[in-house]
Amino acid sequence: DQQVKQNSPSLSVQEGRISILNCDYTNSMFDYFLWYKKYPAEGPTFLISISSIKDKNEDGRFTVFLNKSAKHLSLHIVPSQPGDSAVYFCAASGENSGYALNFGKGTSLLVTP
Amino acid sequence: DAGVIQSPRHEVTEMGQEVTLRCKPISGHNSLFWYRQTMMRGLELLIYFNNNVPIDDSGMPEDRFSAKMPNASFSTLKIQPSEPRDSAVYFCASSPMVAGWYGYTFGSGTRLTVV
Repeated sequence: DQQVKQNSPSLSVQEGRISILNCDYTNSMFDYFLWYKKYPAEGPTFLISISSIKDKNEDGRFTVFLNKSAKHLSLHIVPSQPGDSAVYFCAASGENSGYALNFGKGTSLLVTP
Repeated sequence: DAGVIQSPRHEVTEMGQEVTLRCKPISGHNSLFWYRQTMMRGLELLIYFNNNVPIDDSGMPEDRFSAKMPNASFSTLKIQPSEPRDSAVYFCASSPMVAGWYGYTFGSGTRLTVV
């Protein structure tokens, strides 16, 4: 059963605007969350992470927000650039998974000029 | 460091044939993971090793799948016999430890097509 869910398979945003990618999780034991970015024909690469003791983490144009009570996190990209067009995977880690990363299905982001 | 190296990049095989995917993790990384990417299930964890020992293989879909890690610098994922539904991109990843907060480094993947 999918414990990390990304319910939007795709998202299209204009260059310069904000991109918001959403992720929900079902397992309350997850305590660390990551976003990975994947270009075609390449492996996923780490983008940004957040611990459950925080509700926000920022790195340049990328910010991740965590709402533990709702079991929801989101990735904000501001401003969006055409080079951000990729598949974004949400991942979660916790003791009951042996700390191995559980990934969602991914959201394909297209940033148009 | 050359990163995580997977081979082959592409594999096309006929149903019923044996397929072997290979992975060389980053030197010094103690944990190695095999993931499979499909449209239906996204990135699913198949099996992972810590210090060359298989820890959790509950994600391996069937007995047709097997994985080994004979030493710290090499792992294989074998499918025998292969079926069309095994067609997917298979990723190997390595990390200093199992814990997700260390971040995993992924290889470029092997795209498997079973016809």
